[in-house]
Amino acid sequence: GAGVSQTPSNKVTEKGKYVELRCDPISGHTALYWYRQSLGQGPEFLIYFQGTGAADDSGLPNDRFFAVRPEGSVSTLKIQRTERGDSAVYLCASSPTGQNNSPLHFGNGTRLTVT
Amino acid sequence: AQSVSQHNHHVILSEAASLELGCNYSYGGTVNLFWYVQYPGQHLQLLLKYFSGDPLVKGIKGFEAEFIKSKFSFNLRKPSVQWSDTAEYFCAVRSNSGYALNFGKGTSLLVTP
Repeated sequence: GAGVSQTPSNKVTEKGKYVELRCDPISGHTALYWYRQSLGQGPEFLIYFQGTGAADDSGLPNDRFFAVRPEGSVSTLKIQRTERGDSAVYLCASSPTGQNNSPLHFGNGTRLTVT
Repeated sequence: AQSVSQHNHHVILSEAASLELGCNYSYGGTVNLFWYVQYPGQHLQLLLKYFSGDPLVKGIKGFEAEFIKSKFSFNLRKPSVQWSDTAEYFCAVRSNSGYALNFGKGTSLLVTP
């Protein structure tokens, strides 16, 4: 079946611009996560949604980062006033439930480059 | 502070060699443990997981991992690697009381023919 889909696969933007990254989770998965992976590092947790609400946004680095999931399915990660340090691969994952023993299914990520 | 440590950042092995990748974590309380693999050009995939019960867990493609609670470790093993095992391997830990899955920095494995 269809996996987690992320668009675009690559995004190049200029410093100071606004970007939106989209995630389509696996159908029926209630839990959705955003991660950021910099070169040579493991994925870093950003935010977790259970349904429509952000249950844990403790990983968002600052208030330039924001994410929504208005209908409990598709999610958008929004970055304002992008900085070169925001360049990374942004990963989305979904899970059937938010229970701790529920593995995450990852998308291919969006590679963001801020010039 | 909660952390996940992977000791080997780059490993090079010949085909048929045995593999062991180290993972240690620093967490209080009960944890759930995972190993994920990322093949070149592909997304992260679950290799195996431990929640409770038998501390020796078996995953896909002949991989296994052993949870040693006293050592806070969850090392990944494979008796005989293949060229197709070339990939990035990530250990991940989630506290039983939390949501976030926290990853180590990863180990890049190169298997040579």
